[in-house]
Amino acid sequence: RKEVEQDPGPFNVPEGATVAFNCTYSNSASQSFFWYRQDCRKEPKLLMSVYSSGNEDGRFTAQLNRASQYISLLIRDSKLSDSATYLCAATNAGNNRKLIWGLGTSLAVNP
Amino acid sequence: DGGITQSPKYLFRKEGQNVTLSCEQNLNHDAMYWYRQDPGQGLRLIYYSQIVNDFQKGDIAEGYSVSREKKESFPLTVTSAQKNPTAFYLCASSTQGPSGEQYFGPGTRLTVT
Repeated sequence: RKEVEQDPGPFNVPEGATVAFNCTYSNSASQSFFWYRQDCRKEPKLLMSVYSSGNEDGRFTAQLNRASQYISLLIRDSKLSDSATYLCAATNAGNNRKLIWGLGTSLAVNP
Repeated sequence: DGGITQSPKYLFRKEGQNVTLSCEQNLNHDAMYWYRQDPGQGLRLIYYSQIVNDFQKGDIAEGYSVSREKKESFPLTVTSAQKNPTAFYLCASSTQGPSGEQYFGPGTRLTVT
């Protein structure tokens, strides 16, 4: 089992839809979690950090469920510009300088 | 304007040649990282450095070397021993705090033929 797993998608949704991605992690000692957004052939950009139960920033909400060992990302009122790959990462237990990365979930928002 | 710069954006080399990728940051971050990204494989850690003059191997260090002589700079050399060097190389940095947030440069796309 991969340490951080994501559904690769692709998720195809219409503009204005609400879409949610899940990311599961295997090491219960991981402390911090992150969602990054990566556009095609570009670098990942930090979208949200999750340290406790969750975080919200405008249309984006991230939630952490430690009991079930997953984090989720909810995007409300999807825009065309939200089309990208969303990467999930967790700190490596015992060494928070290393991140364990998922392979990403691809989102396409259609007009 | 704070950030991480990588140069060049595209690099082409012949097989058997060593090549050095540049990474500079002016964020005053202590830790710096090198990843490679291949289609379908996600981000894989090559080397990281938590402090000047110190660095650790990541998951795929074979065929690569690094140095960290200055806080701002963390160059990566792809040696001729690296069997599949063609990839997208990403440099990142983070503070030494507990948060773990990493910030990326724009990447260098290396093609070796």
